[in-house]
Amino acid sequence: NAGVTQTPKFQVLKTGQSMTLQCAQDMNHEYMSWYRQDPGMGLRLIHYSVGAGITDQGEVPNGYNVSRSTTEDFPLRLLSAAPSQTSVYFCASSSQTGVNTEAFFGQGTRLTVV
Amino acid sequence: QQQVKQSPQSLIVQKGGISIINCAYENTAFDYFPWYQQFPGKGPALLIAIRPDVSEKKEGRFTISFNKSAKQFSLHIMDSQPGDSATYFCAVPGSARQLTFGSGTQLTVLP
Repeated sequence: NAGVTQTPKFQVLKTGQSMTLQCAQDMNHEYMSWYRQDPGMGLRLIHYSVGAGITDQGEVPNGYNVSRSTTEDFPLRLLSAAPSQTSVYFCASSSQTGVNTEAFFGQGTRLTVV
Repeated sequence: QQQVKQSPQSLIVQKGGISIINCAYENTAFDYFPWYQQFPGKGPALLIAIRPDVSEKKEGRFTISFNKSAKQFSLHIMDSQPGDSATYFCAVPGSARQLTFGSGTQLTVLP
């Protein structure tokens, strides 16, 4: 019972490099989201998706791209990494069924940009 | 932009004491108010949630109290235990189930 799987768990990038953070869920959830977590600021929404082919921006989308070609996968792309993107990134999924929808989170990716 | 204000930022209680964390929101797409618990190195996990057709919901030692007119809800942890030491987040859902989180409360329960 994998739930939400994020890879990699840790990553160090140099400024200007690009990379993709992977997120996969096996619960057939329609909704998926990406958050970043910084000390003292809680989790802030980067991008989210309500289904395959549909994405939208959250609170802090600049410098990140997403796509949703399948229900299962929701990768987050850093186009040109900056030190300000040093953070812990969490992917989450939830079902559209009902209102009391629990969000299930992955274990996170700790990214350091030097 | 939805604002969710959470307090206190940190909380230290003795074992057996009561921990209280407060949350205030501006608006919500759904009448559903969850609290998430996060341990170091882990992702957040749902702890307890309330629908505001009731003003209070209790699950074991954890209770949510809700005040719809004030747009506030709070988490009470009774008989706090060292294993409850974690960071707690309130959250408010948007129309696509995306969450706006409070800034978090780091709870430390002393043995």
